[in-house]
Amino acid sequence: DTEVTQTPKHLVMGMTNKKSLKCEQHMGHRAMYWYKQKAKKPPELMFVYSYEKLSINESVPSRFSPECPNSSLLNLHLHALQPEDSALYLCASSQDMGGGIKTQYFGPGTRLLVL
Amino acid sequence: AQSVTQLDSQVPVFEEAPVELRCNYSSSVSVYLFWYVQYPNQGLQLLLKYLSGSTLVKGINGFEAEFNKSQTSFHLRKPSVHISDTAEYFCAVSMDSSYKLIFGSGTRLLVRP
Repeated sequence: DTEVTQTPKHLVMGMTNKKSLKCEQHMGHRAMYWYKQKAKKPPELMFVYSYEKLSINESVPSRFSPECPNSSLLNLHLHALQPEDSALYLCASSQDMGGGIKTQYFGPGTRLLVL
Repeated sequence: AQSVTQLDSQVPVFEEAPVELRCNYSSSVSVYLFWYVQYPNQGLQLLLKYLSGSTLVKGINGFEAEFNKSQTSFHLRKPSVHISDTAEYFCAVSMDSSYKLIFGSGTRLLVRP
């Protein structure tokens, strides 16, 4: 089973709201990723967690706050977002973050609209 | 630096016709190659991957790709497409030395009846 699940599927929020995106995998993977994807573009890496610790932050604004409560779960907390943050947010996981042959498996995404 | 080029932003094709989606990469080190498909309003699904061994790789949904090291290419092919193959296709590369998955800009396959 190579399934990564994400909730919610859709989210509409105002610029003053606080919301969270959730990602879950049960493949025993120890690396989990957040990507942002704008329309007609490839995904852009935001964060990488390795063994539940934040390893990579690709200069993402602090209004995005990731959290990894355990090895299966990954959250992305959102606060004071801007309309330009509207996008598809994808979660992915891999065996570890060693790159190379370590295939990344993606979830279905959360489509976020910021009003 | 490593890069991935998908020259065709859109490929229109009639149903049951063959299709080839092109992918070229640039790298000074060994790479591993992937094709992902993204159906409308969905996430990315792994179609196939080349890690080592046979240069002809078969994937899901009747797709295959051939790794050509001398031409630094990893083109995706299907002998007969269906309407349901309409989607965005992303080629990607990874390397042993990096956690990053480097994506091409994507090719939209549009299958017409």
